[in-house]
Formats: sequence, C-alpha cells, structure tokens
Amino acid sequence: ETGVTQSPTHLIKTRGQQVTLRCSSQSGHNTVSWYQQALGQGPQFIFQYYREEENGRGNFPPRFSGLQFPNYSSELNVNALELDDSALYLCASSFGTSGLTDTQYFGPGTRLTVL
Amino acid sequence: AQSVAQPEDQVNVAEGNPLTVKCTYSVSGNPYLFWYVQYPNRGLQFLLKYITGDNLVKGSYGFEAEFNKSQTSFHLKKPSALVSDSALYFCAVRDGLGNNNDMRFGAGTRLTVKP
Repeated sequence: ETGVTQSPTHLIKTRGQQVTLRCSSQSGHNTVSWYQQALGQGPQFIFQYYREEENGRGNFPPRFSGLQFPNYSSELNVNALELDDSALYLCASSFGTSGLTDTQYFGPGTRLTVL
Repeated sequence: AQSVAQPEDQVNVAEGNPLTVKCTYSVSGNPYLFWYVQYPNRGLQFLLKYITGDNLVKGSYGFEAEFNKSQTSFHLKKPSALVSDSALYFCAVRDGLGNNNDMRFGAGTRLTVKP
C-alpha cells in the first residue's frame, strides 16, 4: 500500500509568482485535504476535496485554489505569492463520506520559501 | 468555531517514566478528537482518535488518551516513555456541528525523553 506522496519536496519562489504543489493520495482514499504549517505552529486547514468537489474551506483567500482529479490526486495552487506564504504545505488523504470522523493520513509536505 | 489548546510548549520526562501531553478543546457540538506526532522533516503520523464510546482510547506505539467531557480535555498518555518518543505532538479537533470539515490543530507540544 502506497502512502501519501507530495512533490516537490522543496520550492523557492519570489513574491508575486504562482506555485503549484502536487499530492497523490493513499491507495483507496477519495478525500484530500490541504494544510499550511508555518514555522513553530500547528497546521492550518486550507480546504478539502471529496470526489473532485471542494467540500470545506478554511480562512484562506481565493488566491489559494485547488483541484482534485479522477484518480483522487490533487493540486494546490497559490497565486500572487506573499512572503507570509512561506511554510510547509501538508496534504492529507482519507476515505469516507462523513468527513468529520475520518482519519487523515499525511504526506511528508512541501517546504515553500517565498523571497 | 472549534479550538484546541496545548498549554505546554515543552514536556521533559525520563525514559521509563510515564508521560502526559495535555490538550483541551472547545466545540459547539460533539467533539471529534485526534492526536498526531511529527518527527523532524516528516509529515504528521496518526496516533489515535476519539469519536464516541469508551473514554479511554488506545492507539499506536503504546499511546492512549483519555476523553473527559466535563473538563473538555483529551490528554495523551503513555505508561513508560522511550527516547524514540521524542517528537512534536499535535492535538486536533473537529466540531460535530461544523459544516466545512475544518480540523483545528493546537500549536504543538515538544516532548523530550531523556535516557
């Protein structure tokens, strides 16, 4: 069974650029969630996708957007990068329909640095 | 909105001694509570969760957690700590009345187990 994978591992961008992060969910999982973890803080929920539809969003501006594909892999896109976007971006996958009680399994993360 | 607090930034214990990592929560509906562990340069690993039922939840690697509704707490425990348990621990909560699948994490507690 393959776990959650993310690419790239590290990324350096400049302010104002756009970035796309990728996530492959664990085999059999149909739900993907994205989190932002700033240095020294806990992860913050960005949004969740279930069967290619967004079904939950945290307090992040519209320049954070996402996609889920038919194979349940996912992308996180961030436009107009700001210095505060520098963080570890975590993807988590789960299986289920209730959402609230499902266990999420996390990937290793993508470290984004914005200069 | 739901919230979770981890009152201790750092917990130090000697190997072989019992350990406790504290977590308190605030929700409007039923709480769904989770514990995760994060090792350096790694994603989060699931330890255990409370959904309903028995207040004592047993999880991975010998960890357990006790749900206390009156004290709104969900402390993580282990009878005998190992040096390899040294890591960053996160408590997280979802609100049963929530409608956006937001999982709120605490700021984390760094556990150090000394030989």
